[in-house]
Amino acid sequence: SQTIHQWPATLVQPVGSPLSLECTVEGTSNPNLYWYRQAAGRGLQLLFYSVGIGQISSEVPQNLSASRPQDRQFILSSKKLLLSDSGFYLCAWSIGQGETQYFGPGTRLLVL
Amino acid sequence: GQSLEQPSEVTAVEGAIVQINCTYQTSGFYGLSWYQQHDGGAPTFLSYNALDGLEETGRFSSFLSRSDSYGYLLLQELQMKDSASYFCALYSSASKIIFGSGTRLSIRP
Repeated sequence: SQTIHQWPATLVQPVGSPLSLECTVEGTSNPNLYWYRQAAGRGLQLLFYSVGIGQISSEVPQNLSASRPQDRQFILSSKKLLLSDSGFYLCAWSIGQGETQYFGPGTRLLVL
Repeated sequence: GQSLEQPSEVTAVEGAIVQINCTYQTSGFYGLSWYQQHDGGAPTFLSYNALDGLEETGRFSSFLSRSDSYGYLLLQELQMKDSASYFCALYSSASKIIFGSGTRLSIRP
């Protein structure tokens, strides 16, 4: 069976510090991978998605970046965090046509 | 562009039936999905409509009408554990899904 891992579960970072969130998927090959951000009580905002190694599509221009160094690894990064980067970050995967997405447990980021 | 609209909050009584509506604007899409998210948790997939009509999965049913740019999620025999946020989502292209802002369902005993 497939599983998706995200870490850390929670993170408190000062403004201006760097960020690295990691997501890994097990039990499937060549998945589509996604990063979403969710503000408290709001919907999901698609940040990045990837259909293969090294292939990253950015949906929202901002101070975040994503990388996919391996088939089942997706990393979200920032060089300098802003207060507005606080939120719930969710990684997801899909296969085939991608109409069904499976989410990881998420990372709660608080930037102070 | 693409956009989805759904009510921000809905309240219902345990054991009753509730319908959560979703209207959308898009130039083209493959299907409409529904996801459930409990407080503090991650979204989980509920259903997907590629074609017009009703899809039934246990107590949950989902409907799509492309001509009306409209869909809904129907929850029957409501249980307290159904209290959660529900998101409709458009499966558009290139393996990409656009989510609505979510409907918070509160269930009273």
